[in-house]
Amino acid sequence: KAGVTQTPRYLIKTRGQQVTLSCSPISGHRSVSWYQQTPGQGLQFLFEYFSETQRNKGNFPGRFSGRQFSNSRSEMNVSTLELGDSALYLCASSLNRGYQETQYFGPGTRLLVL
Amino acid sequence: ILNVEQSPQSLHVQEGDSTNFTCSFPSSNFYALHWYRWETAKSPEALFVMTLNGDEKKKGRISATLNTKEGYSYLYIKGSQPEDSATYLCARNTGNQFYFGTGTSLTVIP
Repeated sequence: KAGVTQTPRYLIKTRGQQVTLSCSPISGHRSVSWYQQTPGQGLQFLFEYFSETQRNKGNFPGRFSGRQFSNSRSEMNVSTLELGDSALYLCASSLNRGYQETQYFGPGTRLLVL
Repeated sequence: ILNVEQSPQSLHVQEGDSTNFTCSFPSSNFYALHWYRWETAKSPEALFVMTLNGDEKKKGRISATLNTKEGYSYLYIKGSQPEDSATYLCARNTGNQFYFGTGTSLTVIP
């Protein structure tokens, strides 16, 4: 079974631009979560999608948004990029939304904002 | 308070040594604790999911314990090998989302 894939793997943008990141979960998984990691910080939860609905949202500004499609693929969008948005963005999928379920992570997208 | 804290931040051990690190978390509103291993240039890999107070899980040379009443979990590695070098993350699940610690970076010196 193919793992979680994320595209692109690396991205360079300039301040003010917007960016869209993509995540394809493991086949059959319906929950996709997004995380941001910056130097010195743990993984910070952005949001979770389940069956095309955003179920939970972390403490991030409205510039960060996402969506999930009927095939469970998810996209994350960041508008009006700031230098502080430079980070590794990881998505993780799980079968459903159970708290006991293992999350399977993708390789991440490394975003650099200049 | 939702913070998950891990200690130590980094650790260097000799090959063959056994080691352990700690994950501390608020004991209230606890649903599950997850441990991950994250090697450089790879994706975080799930090690254990622990839910019950007193849980002990084992996977090869790696084991973990859980104390939900006092809010901590220990991860043990017996006979460390260079391939164990990685960052070990713990994450608390509150039923809605995961809260991750900043990890313990382990380097095993051959």
